[in-house]
Amino acid sequence: QSVLTQPPSASGTPGQRVTISCFGSNSNIGSNYVFWYQQLPGAAPKLLVYRNNQRPSGVPDRFSGSKSVTSASLAINGLRPEDEADYYCSTWDDSLSGHVVFGGGTKVTVL
Amino acid sequence: QLRLQESGPGVVRPAETLSLSCSVFYGAIDGSSYYWGWLRQPPGKGLEWIGSVYYNGNTYDNPSLRSRISISVDTSANRFSLRLRSVSAADTAVYYCARHGVGWEIPAWGRGTLVTVFS
Repeated sequence: QSVLTQPPSASGTPGQRVTISCFGSNSNIGSNYVFWYQQLPGAAPKLLVYRNNQRPSGVPDRFSGSKSVTSASLAINGLRPEDEADYYCSTWDDSLSGHVVFGGGTKVTVL
Repeated sequence: QLRLQESGPGVVRPAETLSLSCSVFYGAIDGSSYYWGWLRQPPGKGLEWIGSVYYNGNTYDNPSLRSRISISVDTSANRFSLRLRSVSAADTAVYYCARHGVGWEIPAWGRGTLVTVFS
């Protein structure tokens, strides 16, 4: 059981917008920055978003993050076949002396 | 460009200790204000943070694993290590070493190494 809650799957056709939600609580999302990772099959995760809505250099602006109180979202605009991957939200949780937590992951399928 | 490389046995017997090291290339462990971490991913499942260490040895760890893990750093060898005691089949996973950013985001990952607990 993950501390952060994500839908197990999401899908869309090329060009569509897909949104992935991530629900937490006051001790994690409610108090800290949210990060998003993309994991392609067989590869290590890649940081997509940090500080709720900032993109590292090289990440297309089709990916955007947002946060509201104790939930966060990742939007993928103009969906492409290469976006088919697992996506994870993550943040710091202030409870139990502090620790990093993840969502269970969302599998995005491009139809 | 920073590179991280995990090393260690691919198979560990139940009840024994899993030991992994992460060598850091093109960057100094003690040359930056970052935490260095371990994460894992059981086959077909999601990511789990194990713990992280600062260059001075300070650590943060996952409460659910705290009683079984030790994370250390060797600045002279520019590497950090993980020891996970009393392993079981549930500890079978791809283990990643990583470097955190200014916050707790992770912009740098190793390629991962599969560790199977098997008798």
